[in-house]
Amino acid sequence: AQKVTQAQTEISVVEKEDVTLDCVYETRDTTYYLFWYKQPPSGELAFLIRRNSFDEQNEISGRYSWNFQKSTSSFNFTITASQVVDSAVYFCALSGQGGSEKLVFGKGTKLTVNP
Amino acid sequence: EPEVTQTPSHQVTQMGQEVILRCVPISNHLYFYWYRQILGQKVEFLVSFYNNEISEKSEIFDDQFSVERPDGSNFTLKIRSTKLEDSAMYFCASSEGTSYNEQFFGPGTRLTVL
Repeated sequence: AQKVTQAQTEISVVEKEDVTLDCVYETRDTTYYLFWYKQPPSGELAFLIRRNSFDEQNEISGRYSWNFQKSTSSFNFTITASQVVDSAVYFCALSGQGGSEKLVFGKGTKLTVNP
Repeated sequence: EPEVTQTPSHQVTQMGQEVILRCVPISNHLYFYWYRQILGQKVEFLVSFYNNEISEKSEIFDDQFSVERPDGSNFTLKIRSTKLEDSAMYFCASSEGTSYNEQFFGPGTRLTVL
């Protein structure tokens, strides 16, 4: 069975601090996909990034970066120089190799960035 | 930019009533999904739909639930006899078709069962 664990329920930082959101996953699939979604207070789910299990390269997009380590089954997300607009719930998710595979979500980490 | 739309944004109903939640997926997408999120909890998969039939469903998706694609654009979720515990945000999503393609989510319908 697939499982995603986000151990940090809530994180509170002050603006401009760096913050890392942890994600640990479990799967028996050899090919799988990892995702991060952002859910701001307005409630919608916004896609941030997708990674497949064969691509362990870290990725940077502006202030966001992702660290994928298969050895520890982790896919962590770092926000550099956080801003108030980053305040949201962040979900890590996993899907398998099938064409219609469902997303299995973690419980989410609520990030609050204070001015 | 194409997006998934959902109506209504908020639905209030009495326990035991039927509700239909509507979604218009992105037009060239082939796979459609419903998820739900009970307030403050994680997003849970309900059902996936492809080629006019259910591909996979979760334990939550019991006989009270059904999905339909009545025409070329709409994708609906029906709850036959709502219960208090059905109160949640319901998200529709669609994808082009493979696991590599991300699922695009609609803004959600907040269902409140009284």
